[in-house]
Amino acid sequence: AQSVTQLDSQVPVFEEAPVELRCNYSSSVSVYLFWYVQYPNQGLQLLLKYLSGSTLVKGINGFEAEFNKSQTSFHLRKPSVHISDTAEYFCAVSYNTDKLIFGTGTRLQVFP
Amino acid sequence: NAGVTQTPKFQVLKTGQSMTLQCAQDMNHEYMSWYRQDPGMGLRLIHYSVGAGITDQGEVPNGYNVSRSTTEDFPLRLLSAAPSQTSVYFCASADRGSSTYNEQFFGPGTRLTVL
Repeated sequence: AQSVTQLDSQVPVFEEAPVELRCNYSSSVSVYLFWYVQYPNQGLQLLLKYLSGSTLVKGINGFEAEFNKSQTSFHLRKPSVHISDTAEYFCAVSYNTDKLIFGTGTRLQVFP
Repeated sequence: NAGVTQTPKFQVLKTGQSMTLQCAQDMNHEYMSWYRQDPGMGLRLIHYSVGAGITDQGEVPNGYNVSRSTTEDFPLRLLSAAPSQTSVYFCASADRGSSTYNEQFFGPGTRLTVL
């Protein structure tokens, strides 16, 4: 079955430290990958997406992600986080259909 | 553009009541969808539509009905609310006209509580 796994439900980190949020998906020939961010009591906002081409994707707010086909991963990274990055982050995948399959989310908590 | 709008923002229902969650978009998107968000479960697709008059079921369709009479609107109906439907509901839309996958734009959500 097609699925997305976010292994870390919560990631605590101090301000200005680097962070990596992990995402793995079930294997497929053709896949589109996304990271969304949800700030408290708000809707989802697209951080970045991989459709094709370069495997390193840069998004908004200094985030980037790398598509690794052999490991079926799409981990999200930021070299230095801010308090304002505290939010829930969702990885999502589309297996060349209209449907998006979401992971269960990772809550990033940035401490001063 | 207002993007994707949802009403109401909050709603409390009693078990057995019915109601309609409204969703509208002004981007002329063909694709619209409804998700529910529950703690620890991410977002799960309820129903989706690829154009006016066309709807299909997602992962968790039971207890919900949809229709798509116009491009702009995609209401979600709860026929007989149950406590298990307490959740946050998000509507999303996407343009299916481009050659690559189409980014979905999300509304602000409706928080529903069923007592």
